[in-house]
Amino acid sequence: QSALTQPPSASGSPGQSVTISCTGTSSDVGEYQYVSWYQQHPGKTPKVMIYEVNKRPSGVPDRFSGSKSGNTASLTVSGLQAEDEADYYCSSYAGNNKLVFGGGTKLTVL
Amino acid sequence: QVQLQESGPGLVKPSETLSLTCTVSGGSISRSTYYWGWIRQPPGKGLEWIGTISYSGSTYYNPSLKRRVTISVDTSKNHFSLKLSSVTAADTAVYYCARLPLTSYYPNWYFDIWGRGTLVTVSS
Repeated sequence: QSALTQPPSASGSPGQSVTISCTGTSSDVGEYQYVSWYQQHPGKTPKVMIYEVNKRPSGVPDRFSGSKSGNTASLTVSGLQAEDEADYYCSSYAGNNKLVFGGGTKLTVL
Repeated sequence: QVQLQESGPGLVKPSETLSLTCTVSGGSISRSTYYWGWIRQPPGKGLEWIGTISYSGSTYYNPSLKRRVTISVDTSKNHFSLKLSSVTAADTAVYYCARLPLTSYYPNWYFDIWGRGTLVTVSS
């Protein structure tokens, strides 16, 4: 069970869109619709932003969207705002009642 | 509103057992609409799933930690617990407990409510 692969960093200017990728395998991301994304500000608790690939919990702005193609899931943040600067982690169900996280991506708003 | 709170020693000696409890308030831990889990985050590093327990006590563990991990639930106290044996410095991390929602009794495999986390340092 290996961690999902995310780019260490991503950046964009206010108002722009940025997409963060999360690459797994045909045994996790590619097989199941249970991909989720978490936002974590420094020193804070992770907060779920997307679950089941593209569903947003109540209260999460619709600027956040998720998708999946093959073994790669993506989180897109549109209309970047300063408060979006944070670490983002993906996770996926990996079968046999196992869960795996990605290594995390630091999003910088320029 | 459901809240989770981790508690336990902040310092554990190498080779000993780390023990943490997560107390759930504002809702019953035995509801059949949620599982419960533990996640950890070493300082400056990413998240790692430790394991999950169902409302009935079925457990699911990260294969890399399975040999050392035990998660249990005490419905009378509305809390669930984590034990990690034979700890080393590599087990130093912030440990989070969290809630995993179900749909039609099947886990949705994401965590919707998290505790604030507790830092556990392994050192002599």
